[in-house]
Amino acid sequence: AQSVSQHNHHVILSEAASLELGCNYSYGGTVNLFWYVQYPGQHLQLLLKYFSGDPLVKGIKGFEAEFIKSKFSFNLRKPSVQWSDTAEYFCAVNPGFQKLVFGTGTRLLVSP
Amino acid sequence: NAGVTQTPKFRVLKTGQSMTLLCAQDMNHEYMYWYRQDPGMGLRLIHYSVGEGTTAKGEVPDGYNVSRLKKQNFLLGLESAAPSQTSVYFCASSSGTSLGETQYFGPGTRLLVL
Repeated sequence: AQSVSQHNHHVILSEAASLELGCNYSYGGTVNLFWYVQYPGQHLQLLLKYFSGDPLVKGIKGFEAEFIKSKFSFNLRKPSVQWSDTAEYFCAVNPGFQKLVFGTGTRLLVSP
Repeated sequence: NAGVTQTPKFRVLKTGQSMTLLCAQDMNHEYMYWYRQDPGMGLRLIHYSVGEGTTAKGEVPDGYNVSRLKKQNFLLGLESAAPSQTSVYFCASSSGTSLGETQYFGPGTRLLVL
């Protein structure tokens, strides 16, 4: 079945540690890829997105993601996390028709 | 611009009761969406609309109805609430002009069905 997989459900890091959250999708053809973040008590906000061109995408707050087509992956990275990065992170794929399919989310806890 | 707003923010229902959730956007977006968010399941699309007067089913439409009588509003109705509909409901909108565009989300409605 077509899906979006986020393998890490919970991640705990100390401040200044590096972060990489995995995202894999199973759709063929052209897709658009997104990472959304949901801070505690808030609604979803766009972190970054890949539409076309350079597969390394830079987003807000120092986040970046790399689209690897051969691996059907769009992993999120940040070199040095902060306590304020504590949130839930969702990978999403637009396989066409303006619809988003979300992964199950990864809860990140950054300890000060 | 308020962006996407949702009312109410929180509601408690008894099984069998009905209610309507209201989503409003002031960005003149064509497309609007209703999602539900459940622990460990991410966001799942309930219904969506590609323009005023149109609606379509998403991934989990059963037990819900929607209407888009005005471009800026998208209503989600529960005719007979069930405990399985306890969830957080998010509305979103997008301009609909390209595939890679962003969806903008509202603050969510927490619904508890007893």
